[in-house]
Parts: sequence; structure tokens; C-alpha cells
Amino acid sequence: KAGVTQTPRYLIKTRGQQVTLSCSPISGHRSVSWYQQTPGQGLQFLFEYFSETQRNKGNFPGRFSGRQFSNSRSEMNVSTLELGDSALYLCASSSGTAAYEQYFGPGTRLTVT
Amino acid sequence: QKEVEQNSGPLSVPEGAIASLNCTYSDRVSQSFFWYRQYSGKSPELIMSIYSNGDKEDGRFTAQLNKASQYVSLLIRDSQPSDSATYLCAVYGAGNNRKLIWGLGTSLAVNP
Repeated sequence: KAGVTQTPRYLIKTRGQQVTLSCSPISGHRSVSWYQQTPGQGLQFLFEYFSETQRNKGNFPGRFSGRQFSNSRSEMNVSTLELGDSALYLCASSSGTAAYEQYFGPGTRLTVT
Repeated sequence: QKEVEQNSGPLSVPEGAIASLNCTYSDRVSQSFFWYRQYSGKSPELIMSIYSNGDKEDGRFTAQLNKASQYVSLLIRDSQPSDSATYLCAVYGAGNNRKLIWGLGTSLAVNP
């Protein structure tokens, strides 16, 4: 069974630009969660989508948004990029049921200059 | 008080020893608990999940859960240099907090 895939793997953007990241979950998984990881801050939860609906949301500004398609693939968008948005963005796939085990993709390393 | 707390380390153990990693959580009604391993520059990898009080063993790894004390631990027996990584504890919240709550991780160094 194929794992979680994320594209692109690396990205360099300029302040003020916007960016879209993509995540394809494990086949059969209906839940996709997004995280931001920076040194010293740990994993910060952005949001979770389940069956095309946002099921939970973290404490990030409205510049961070996401969506999920009918095939469970998910995209995350960040508008008006700031230097502080430089981070590793991780997508995690889960069946979405009570067990709630999450499996991570390799991540997208975003650098904002 | 942070919702999930871990000692940041670094925890240093000699090769072949037992490494003991600890995690405490604040939400008393949490039901699901996970340990992830993250190598430098890589994404977290699920290594253990535990849902009931007691011990759960998988190879060299043992997870221990004590819900009364709100404490979950990970033991790594016969530690190898390849076990050197950051270990993240995650707890699935309940009620209005139904998401994984993460600790900041404990850095483990296994010395040959």
C-alpha cells in the first residue's frame, strides 16, 4: 500500500506571495491533518479534513486555509507569506475512526525570503 | 500546564542499555496514546500506540500506560545507535478537543 505523498518537497517563496501544498493520503483513509513544524515549537496543528469537511482547526491566522477533495486528496494554502511561515509542513493521513493512528508524509520544506 | 509534557533531554544512554522516555498529559478523559520517532530532517513515524492501562510490547519497544497517573512511557530495550532520534508523545483528546495533542519531544542519543 502506498504511503502518504506530499508535493512539492521543497519550495522557496518571497514575502507576500502565496503557496499551495498538496497531500495524497493512504488509499482508503478519509482524514487528512496538516501540521507546521519549526525548531523549538514542535508540531503545531493547522487543521483536519474528513470527508471533504473541516473537522478541527488549530490557532493559525486566516491566511492558512485548506480543502479536501472527493478522492481525499487535500491542499493547504498560505496567502501573503511572512518570513515566520518558513517551516516544515507535514500532512498526516488517518482512517478517521476512533483508533486515530496518523501516518505522515515526507513533508514540504517551505522557505520564505 | 502544557497539555502533553515530555522531558526535552537530551537523554543519553550507552548502546545495549534500556532507554526510558516519559510523557504526562492533562486531559483525564484521553483514550488513545501514541509514540512517534522522528529522525533529524525526516517526518514522524508511528512506532507504538496504546489504548488500555498496562504494558504493550512490540519487539524492543514497550509502551506503558497509567491513566490514573496520566502517564505514558516508552521503553527501548537493547538500545542501538540507530535509535538516536527525537521521540514524540501524542495524546488523542476528547470532548471539544478531539485531535492529537503533541509533546515537544525527547531527544535520545545512543552512544556506541
